Amino acid sequence: QQQVKQSPQSLIVQKGGISIINCAYENTAFDYFPWYQQFPGKGPALLIAIRPDVSEKKEGRFTISFNKSAKQFSLHIMDSQPGDSATYFCAATRSGAGSYQLTFGKGTKLSVIP
Amino acid sequence: NAGVTQTPKFQVLKTGQSMTLQCAQDMNHNSMYWYRQDPGMGLRLIYYSASEGTTDKGEVPNGYNVSRLNKREFSLRLESAAPSQTSVYFCASSEGRRGGMRAGYTFGSGTRLTVV
Repeated sequence: QQQVKQSPQSLIVQKGGISIINCAYENTAFDYFPWYQQFPGKGPALLIAIRPDVSEKKEGRFTISFNKSAKQFSLHIMDSQPGDSATYFCAATRSGAGSYQLTFGKGTKLSVIP
Repeated sequence: NAGVTQTPKFQVLKTGQSMTLQCAQDMNHNSMYWYRQDPGMGLRLIYYSASEGTTDKGEVPNGYNVSRLNKREFSLRLESAAPSQTSVYFCASSEGRRGGMRAGYTFGSGTRLTVV
């Protein structure tokens, strides 16, 4: 059972455009939703994260929108640049005592063309 | 530089051989994790260690064992490698407490393993 569904699998956007990646989750106990960015040959790196008590979080050109009732969240990259070309993973976890086991989506390969 | 160090970076094994993937972090994190990454499958949790002295199975533990040697080190062992274990393996660490998730996971750069 896939707990975090991510779409699309791949995305091609022109420089300056808006990239949008969507995720949906099933477990209502999830309360922390990060996005990770991965460049070829590297490990994923935390990009931005949100908790369900807010509907939107913005950091520079990156924005997470969160819809708790629909159990969906999305990443928007404004003014997309070739340097944003990477694979993006959404993830979710349930906070509490102990460690946080992130459940990842399957990833979206973003290509930003000049 | 502070972070998560994985060794080796590349490895080719024959079916049935064994090996241990090493991981060390120098951020004083409590929790450590092993994930595998396969095309179209995302990152899947193999094993994790919430704190020194504890380990637990993740989503895909079969064929693997782990050891949390101390707070810094968390190793992954393949006892009898199979072609299905061809993958990129990532180690990660986190503070493991509520406030610690503000920093998320820190991942290593991965071990690319091929089993022939």
